[in-house]
Amino acid sequence: SAVISQKPSRDICQRGTSLTIQCQVDSQVTMMFWYRQQPGQSLTLIATANQGSEATYESGFVIDKFPISRPNLTFSTLTVSNMSPEDSSIYLCSVSGTGIYNEQFFGPGTRLTVL
Amino acid sequence: KQEVTQIPAALSVPEGENLVLNCSFTDSAIYNLQWFRQDPGKGLTSLLLIQSSQREQTSGRLNASLDKSSGRSTLYIAASQPGDSATYLCAVRRETSGSRLTFGEGTQLTVNP
Repeated sequence: SAVISQKPSRDICQRGTSLTIQCQVDSQVTMMFWYRQQPGQSLTLIATANQGSEATYESGFVIDKFPISRPNLTFSTLTVSNMSPEDSSIYLCSVSGTGIYNEQFFGPGTRLTVL
Repeated sequence: KQEVTQIPAALSVPEGENLVLNCSFTDSAIYNLQWFRQDPGKGLTSLLLIQSSQREQTSGRLNASLDKSSGRSTLYIAASQPGDSATYLCAVRRETSGSRLTFGEGTQLTVNP
């Protein structure tokens, strides 16, 4: 299994500002994933972050809005830029376990409210 | 495109009841299926992972089954407790290892004391 921590756990931000969310994993992993969960909805993948290369974004998500860093095999950041109330969501960091089973593990999430 | 559906969307039961949550998916070419639990405002906790070659997995009072050919999975919870109250999500991974998960909308379970 993997233990994932995220900072901050929650934040309330003003429209037009940016917030950077940190994700720390207790073991080295190749891929890290960032998901968004809008109120009352299921999870949507934002992007996949590989160490040493640019993140791969899903349809509907762009690097200018959600820049991602992946400086090493245990850490990643997601920035939500130029926020609007529509960005109010839970943002979740996730990794796949090692081995053939590819069990997915999630962090505790960052609850973001944009006023 | 893979679509995952969970039925029912919400379920309320008295404590002690056995219950079944359903998950269906449109593309049977999956690598595995995973059931998660999510408490309000929190992250996801992995409950059970079933590989495509497996029929079921058990952990304590939980039992998950998989019928890959028909695109269905069920999560059986025995002797439900108020602490089981949460949203239960199923997610499937395509056959290529490492590819992304597709999630269902979840079943919100309330177990009443």
